[in-house]
Amino acid sequence: DARVTQTPRDKVTEMGQEVTMRCQPILGHNTVFWYRQTMMQGLELLAYFRNRAPLDDSGMPKDRFSAEMPDATLATLKIQPSEPRDSAVYFCASGDSTSGRATEQYFGPGTRLTVT
Amino acid sequence: QKEVEQDPGPLSVPEGAIVSLNCTYSNSAFQYFMWYRQYSRKGPELLMYTYSSGNKEDGRFTAQVDKSSKYISLFIRDSQPSDSATYLCAANTDKLIFGTGTRLQVFP
Repeated sequence: DARVTQTPRDKVTEMGQEVTMRCQPILGHNTVFWYRQTMMQGLELLAYFRNRAPLDDSGMPKDRFSAEMPDATLATLKIQPSEPRDSAVYFCASGDSTSGRATEQYFGPGTRLTVT
Repeated sequence: QKEVEQDPGPLSVPEGAIVSLNCTYSNSAFQYFMWYRQYSRKGPELLMYTYSSGNKEDGRFTAQVDKSSKYISLFIRDSQPSDSATYLCAANTDKLIFGTGTRLQVFP
């Protein structure tokens, strides 16, 4: 049963600390997305990659957030320094764009981040 | 104005009822439309996928797109308590634009 995995599932940290979230996409998927979900804003796209190359990171605060794909099996989202307003659930999703249709996205379980 | 608008609910219905969930969108270039279901403390899961206008049926679920009015609907027949979740509509191609979600509660 192929699925997207994310670690950690929960993270509590103090303001100013660095936070790293990891995602393992479904094997064979060539597109990886990072989202943030809050009650107020809903699901917001932060960044996405295709074949490990960043395609769009316009949703991400550039001064403190960074996203990378060191290899095809790992995507990372880093926040440095973290702030209380970053508290949210961060989702990774992966999909296969080679069908030529819209990319069906499969979500991981999320990382619940609390910054105090 | 958000590109995809969705009534947040909550919507509370008795078991067996027909549920209608709706979204509107503003970008006429959108061609692909999806519905995701999200249980509490879980990631969204893809439920239905439609291209352009028309209907698509999968068991008790029917997705409908009316591009002339920019309206997206999801119908759930014979609703069950296990359908209680938040339903998110989404549109576009790679960069899915999500609605804020409608919380549905089906009570026995």
